[in-house]
Amino acid sequence: QKEVEQNSGPLSVPEGAIASLNCTYSDRGSQSFFWYRQYSGKSPELIMSIYSNGDKEDGRFTAQLNKASQYVSLLIRDSQPSDSATYLCAVMYSNYKLTFGKGTLLTVNP
Amino acid sequence: DTAVSQTPKYLVTQMGNDKSIKCEQNLGHDTMYWYKQDSKKFLKIMFSYNNKELIINETVPNRFSPKSPDKAHLNLHINSLELGDSAVYFCASSPARDSNTDTQYFGPGTRLTVL
Repeated sequence: QKEVEQNSGPLSVPEGAIASLNCTYSDRGSQSFFWYRQYSGKSPELIMSIYSNGDKEDGRFTAQLNKASQYVSLLIRDSQPSDSATYLCAVMYSNYKLTFGKGTLLTVNP
Repeated sequence: DTAVSQTPKYLVTQMGNDKSIKCEQNLGHDTMYWYKQDSKKFLKIMFSYNNKELIINETVPNRFSPKSPDKAHLNLHINSLELGDSAVYFCASSPARDSNTDTQYFGPGTRLTVL
């Protein structure tokens, strides 16, 4: 069974710190990886996608992908209280199904 | 100018009833999805349609029946509702199903409560 694993948290960081969110996946054939943010009571919102090994930066967010280790991470620099949410890692498997991890709850303390 | 919309936003009903949730997207996407998010926030795909054709049908009770009258709409009908059906149901859409870079955009969700 194809799986996506995330630490459920909660992960608590002080305002201004770097938050590091991690994800592993089981299918070596996966090509596409996504990070969604979900505020309580709201729908998932795409914040980053990554398809190649290495880093991809967008503002305060950096996604990192290591296909050999089947590992994808999201770094949030200069964390803000408004970043407090559940972060969902999603992997597009070779059968075109987007499989989500159970999410990591991030709390940024002022 | 809502991209993916769902109705209703909240649905409270008794066990055994039949209910429907509607979804519409105005993004011109070919593919639409239904996801279920349970009380532990686990988001799991149920169905996917590409241009009105069913392409993903996960292990879902046959009390759940999706219908796509056109590629902009995907409705979900649920018969004989059970307590365990209580969850948030999200509709999503994406430009095309056979692209590895396909990005899915989610609707606001429908919170279903079965009493």
